[in-house]
Amino acid sequence: SYELTQPPSVSVSPGQTARITCSGDVFPKQYAYWYQQKPGQAPVMVIYRDSGRPSGIPERLSGSSSGTKVTLTISGVQAEDEADYYCQSADSSGSYVVFGGGTKLTVL
Amino acid sequence: QVQLVQSGAEVRKPGASMKVSCEASGYTFTSFDINWVRQAPGQGLEWMGWMNPNSGNTGYAQKFQGRVTMTRKTSISTAYMELSSLTYDDTAVYYCARGIVGASTPAFDIWGQGTMITISS
Repeated sequence: SYELTQPPSVSVSPGQTARITCSGDVFPKQYAYWYQQKPGQAPVMVIYRDSGRPSGIPERLSGSSSGTKVTLTISGVQAEDEADYYCQSADSSGSYVVFGGGTKLTVL
Repeated sequence: QVQLVQSGAEVRKPGASMKVSCEASGYTFTSFDINWVRQAPGQGLEWMGWMNPNSGNTGYAQKFQGRVTMTRKTSISTAYMELSSLTYDDTAVYYCARGIVGASTPAFDIWGQGTMITISS
């Protein structure tokens, strides 16, 4: 089975840079997507195809990839960025979707 | 606007079945796959499978094979997900999500608001 590994938690102070990593053997064969989920809400896509940013997502959120690891970077973290973040990809055939375990971003 | 609206919360007994609906609006229902993702309390996201509303073709995660059925009624732009032989481990929020067209890696751009399913005796 395919797995994506994320750190359970990341903590940063306001204005600092947060980096959330996601590792998996499916990279770079498959793209990575990132979702932000706030308590009691549905997930929202914040990064598509490794580094694309959907309309309406702040420029301080960015994505990158290197080998078998992808990274979500949030520059100048704000209190409103506190949320759970999930990476998502698929198996090599693109038939089976897989999510990372999620990372809780805490803004100190 | 483009949205997916799901049916309301339900309580089911162990061994029973449950069926969640997902009504699409603001776009052509048959042009985008519908996926189902669940989230147990305090846990992460778990993909269950997909359905093509145009053809009715489906693909299920191995974990749910034999227990899940995804269907649709195109006349009312609604997708359904039915899960049978429920156990306490099926207590979760169930989301429907629209698949991105043409993506080599499947992903989801629009999500329903979620439906809480509680399994309780």
